Amino acid sequence: AQSVSQHNHHVILSEAASLELGCNYSYGGTVNLFWYVQYPGQHLQLLLKYFSGDPLVKGIKGFEAEFIKSKFSFNLRKPSVQWSDTAEYFCAVNIYNQGGKLIFGQGTELSVKP
Amino acid sequence: DSGVTQTPKHLITATGQRVTLRCSPRSGDLSVYWYQQSLDQGLQFLIQYYNGEERAKGNILERFSAQQFPDLHSELNLSSLELGDSALYFCASSRQDRVTEAFFGQGTRLTVV
Repeated sequence: AQSVSQHNHHVILSEAASLELGCNYSYGGTVNLFWYVQYPGQHLQLLLKYFSGDPLVKGIKGFEAEFIKSKFSFNLRKPSVQWSDTAEYFCAVNIYNQGGKLIFGQGTELSVKP
Repeated sequence: DSGVTQTPKHLITATGQRVTLRCSPRSGDLSVYWYQQSLDQGLQFLIQYYNGEERAKGNILERFSAQQFPDLHSELNLSSLELGDSALYFCASSRQDRVTEAFFGQGTRLTVV
C-alpha cells in the first residue's frame, strides 16, 4: 500500500535556525505532493504543492520544498524559522488518476524557541 | 478562514450512540473529503464524494456512512460509537474530482465517553 513517511516526530529549534523536514513516499508512479501546516487549534493550511515542472517549489511564509524523484522525497525547508512557525507539519501525496484522496504522513511537530 | 464550514465544533456522546457531522464546502467546490485524525492513526482518509456521488473510499468502518446532498453539503454519520472513535474529523473540499488544492475545515472534535 502507498504510504508517506515523515522521519522527524518532533523538532525543536531556536529562532533563526534553519529547518529541514523530511518526507518520503512509497509509490512508483506519478504523484502530486503537498505540505500542509496545522497551527494549534486550527485547520490544515496549504503551504505549498508540486504537480510538475521545476522540482524546487516555493510556498507561503518563506517555505520551500524540493522534489527528488529518484529518492521519492519531498523535503520541506526554511532558511530561518520564527517563533510563529511553531505548528505541526504534514506531508501528503495524491496518486495521479486515483481521485482526490490525500495520503498523509504522521506529521512533524515543530517547536521554535524564542 | 478556508471557506469550509463544519458543525458542530465539539461533540461529546456516549458509547453506542449515533452522531451526524456536517460539512459545507467552499462555494463552487464539487468534491468533499472526510478525514479522521487520531493520535495513534494520524490523518486517515475516510471517503470522497464528487457532485453527489461516492468517488473514493478509504479506511472507513461499516458503522460509518456519508452522503453528499444536491446543495453539495455533506454529512458523515457515525453509529454504534466506541471509545476508539474519539478523534478529530476533518472535512475538506476541492473544485474538481482530482485534488489540485484541498481546503480543510476546522474539524469536529468527537469525544465518546
